[in-house]
Amino acid sequence: SQTIHQWPATLVQPVGSPLSLECTVEGTSNPNLYWYRQAAGRGLQLLFYSVGIGQISSEVPQNLSASRPQDRQFILSSKKLLLSDSGFYLCAWSAYGDGGYTFGSGTRLTVV
Amino acid sequence: SQQGEEDPQALSIQEGENATMNCSYKTSINNLQWYRQNSGRGLVHLILIRSNEREKHSGRLRVTLDTSKKSSSLLITASRAADTASYFCAPPAGEKLTFGTGTRLTIIP
Repeated sequence: SQTIHQWPATLVQPVGSPLSLECTVEGTSNPNLYWYRQAAGRGLQLLFYSVGIGQISSEVPQNLSASRPQDRQFILSSKKLLLSDSGFYLCAWSAYGDGGYTFGSGTRLTVV
Repeated sequence: SQQGEEDPQALSIQEGENATMNCSYKTSINNLQWYRQNSGRGLVHLILIRSNEREKHSGRLRVTLDTSKKSSSLLITASRAADTASYFCAPPAGEKLTFGTGTRLTIIP
């Protein structure tokens, strides 16, 4: 069966520090991968998505970047965090086509 | 741009009652999906309804889709305390799903 792993669950980082959040998927190949951010009490904002290794689409200009070094690995990074980067980050995958998304359990990032 | 908008923003009902949430979207779709999010957790896929379907059931969930009005509704029957969560509709935009701010449903025991 397919599973998605996202870590860490919580993270407190100082302003200006780097960030690396990792997401891996098991039990499937060539998934579409997504990074979303959710501010407190708000909807989900799509940050990046990838339909294949090395293929990254950015949805909004920001302080973040994404990479897909392997088929089932999706990494969200920042060189220098800003206070506004605080939020709940969710990774998700879907099979090619119009199927449902499976979300990870999320990372709560607080930038202080 | 495509985005689902849920209505109402918040809903409180007594346990055992039915809960109805509505969704509107902007552009034509092949399908529409509904998700649930418990507080502080990831989203869980509930149901997908295709554009050629008008109604779909899954357990206590009933989803309708009216493509002419670009709207959908989610009905939860015989609500339970465990149904307390935020509910999102998600119309696709190409390879992506877009989400609104959701309906916050509270079931009062």
